[in-house]
Amino acid sequence: NAGVTQTPKFQVLKTGQSMTLQCAQDMNHEYMSWYRQDPGMGLRLIHYSVGAGITDQGEVPNGYNVSRSTTEDFPLRLLSAAPSQTSVYFCASRSRPGGVTNEKLFFGSGTQLSVL
Amino acid sequence: TQLLEQSPQFLSIQEGENLTVYCNSSSVFSSLQWYRQEPGEGPVLLVTVVTGGEVKKLKRLTFQFGDARKDSSLHITAAQPGDTGLYLCAVGRKVGNEKLTFGTGTRLTIIP
Repeated sequence: NAGVTQTPKFQVLKTGQSMTLQCAQDMNHEYMSWYRQDPGMGLRLIHYSVGAGITDQGEVPNGYNVSRSTTEDFPLRLLSAAPSQTSVYFCASRSRPGGVTNEKLFFGSGTQLSVL
Repeated sequence: TQLLEQSPQFLSIQEGENLTVYCNSSSVFSSLQWYRQEPGEGPVLLVTVVTGGEVKKLKRLTFQFGDARKDSSLHITAAQPGDTGLYLCAVGRKVGNEKLTFGTGTRLTIIP
């Protein structure tokens, strides 16, 4: 019962460094997404994907890249980290993109990222 | 401007009391979801409401979707310490609800 797995759990970067946050799901879900959570701001959508090879921007995509080469994996890349990217990052998936009635979104346990 | 406004932002009450938290918007939605998030974990879905005026119950939690499908409320009866957490409402946007947008949340603390 792995569900959505995120790695690492914690990460500290220096300004300008690059890194990839990993996300994998074993539920054969078509839809995957990345959110960041900041105090007082709630969860904000960064990027999402409705299937392998298809990605699109969310509300706050600047500074982040994504790709979806397989159904299972949806990595989030920070090419040049900035202090403004200090946040908790959540990956989430669901079986279909949505439809009239939203289906259940399954979340990973998050990655806490600090950029110094 | 937030699409979804949740109130109150913080709420701390004694065990056994009742409470209601709100999720409001000026937009109409086809459906609305409520999630609960505990420290160090991702949000977990509690309920999805679809029809205007719909009421759903989950043990001591009662969820209501406004008649005009612009707002929702969550009422907890006889709150328990296990109800402590961040309560988030969320709505789908774009054609197939691809963009799930969350409110800023209500942080609830139940004092034993």
